[in-house]
Amino acid sequence: GAGVSQSPSNKVTEKGKDVELRCDPISGHTALYWYRQSLGQGLEFLIYFQGNSAPDKSGLPSDRFSAERTGGSVSTLTIQRTQQEDSAVYLCASSLGSGNTGELFFGEGSRLTVL
Amino acid sequence: GENVEQHPSTLSVQEGDSAVIKCTYSDSASNYFPWYKQELGKGPQLIIDIRSNVGEKKDQRIAVTLNKTAKHFSLHITETQPEDSAVYFCAARANQGGKLIFGQGTELSVKP
Repeated sequence: GAGVSQSPSNKVTEKGKDVELRCDPISGHTALYWYRQSLGQGLEFLIYFQGNSAPDKSGLPSDRFSAERTGGSVSTLTIQRTQQEDSAVYLCASSLGSGNTGELFFGEGSRLTVL
Repeated sequence: GENVEQHPSTLSVQEGDSAVIKCTYSDSASNYFPWYKQELGKGPQLIIDIRSNVGEKKDQRIAVTLNKTAKHFSLHITETQPEDSAVYFCAARANQGGKLIFGQGTELSVKP
C-alpha cells in the first residue's frame, strides 16, 4: 500500500522567499507529525496533529513557521521569509493515533536548501 | 520537557561483532521507547520498541533493554552484517499518541 508521501523531494530557494512543503499521510492515519533533520543532527520535533487540530506545536522554531491540516488528511508546512538556517530535511510521519502502538511511519522527506 | 541523550554518535564494528547503542531520558513519565533505523536518503523506520512494563525485548538479532530506575535504555545488535550499516535513533514518549522525542542518532558502520 501507499506510504507517507512528501513533496517536493528537493527545494532550493532564495533567502527571504516563502516555501510550502506538503505531506500526504497513510490513509486512515489520524495523527500526523512534522520533524526537522539538520545535517548530522537528530530529529527535531516541530508540530503534531490529531485530526485537524494541533495539540502540540511547541517545536515550531519561530512565527515564520506554520502548519495546517485539512480534512484530517493532507498537511502543509509553510516557512515564511526563509533564512539559511532553515536549510534541512523536513520529515513528515503519520500514525494510527492514540490507543494504538503509536508506530510512526515516515516519508522520505523534503530537502530544503536556502541560498 | 523530555530530553533524550544518545551515545555513541558513531560506531564502527567488524562484521559478526555485536553493537550496543545507549540512551538516557529525562522524563520519568515516559513509557514508550522505540528504536528507528534510517538508511541513506530514506525516512526512519521502526525496528523494535519497548514499553515501560517490560525490561527486555528480543527480535532475532536485535534486543532492547530498559532500566526505568536509571532512565536508561539500550539497543543490542548481535552478529552484525553490512546491511545493518545505517543511522539508528532512540526515542521516548510520555503520552500515548503524543510526540516522540528522538536522540541525536548513532551512525553504525559494519565493515566486511
